[in-house]
Amino acid sequence: EIVLTQSPGTLSLSPGERATLSCRASQSVSSSYLAWYQQKPGQAPRLLIYGASSRATGIPDRFSGSGSGTDFTLTISRLEPEDFAVYYCQQYGSSPPNTFGGGTKVEIK
Amino acid sequence: QVQLVQSGAEVKKPGASVKVSCKASGYTFTGYYMHWVRQAPGQGLEWMGWINPNSGGTNYAQKFQGRVTMTRDTSISTAYMELSRLRSDDTAVYYCARVLTTVTPASGYWGQGTLVTVSS
Repeated sequence: EIVLTQSPGTLSLSPGERATLSCRASQSVSSSYLAWYQQKPGQAPRLLIYGASSRATGIPDRFSGSGSGTDFTLTISRLEPEDFAVYYCQQYGSSPPNTFGGGTKVEIK
Repeated sequence: QVQLVQSGAEVKKPGASVKVSCKASGYTFTGYYMHWVRQAPGQGLEWMGWINPNSGGTNYAQKFQGRVTMTRDTSISTAYMELSRLRSDDTAVYYCARVLTTVTPASGYWGQGTLVTVSS
């Protein structure tokens, strides 16, 4: 089973600042089958990024994903008030389980 | 537009079973895998498994093997997740989530979630 470790656990930033979230896998993630989700309190997760770097429909271009193999990054170039939320990475490669990382909370400083 | 509407909240006693439904609309139900994910209160996301609505084939996370059953009824475009021998630590919000496309198995569409509370 591939274990995903997200860091930091909490990121305290101000609106307008840049956020860099990390997701490290215990084994190589095949074909960059790595996704990022955003979740706000009381809501279902929302897909932001799939295939490590492709933005889902309707996702603003301030969100970008990068990485391959075992190291992946989600970057929010300039935080908007609505971006303060919890972010999860997930690997969905050919071998289940489709594990999630533990999450990074982006909070207002 | 793709919509996934889940059944309402449930309260169950330890040892009982729960069956959560997920009614799909706005697309061809049999064309896209459906995943189930749960989230305990204040915790992260946990993948439970998937079902191929076309064939009925399933793949469950090892943790839930023997306790979870995912089924579907194609006549009403509905997927089901049944969890048996419930324990208090099964208290969680359970989500169904459809893959984004046939070649992109990330979960692109989510139901609203169903809270299952296990309490004596």
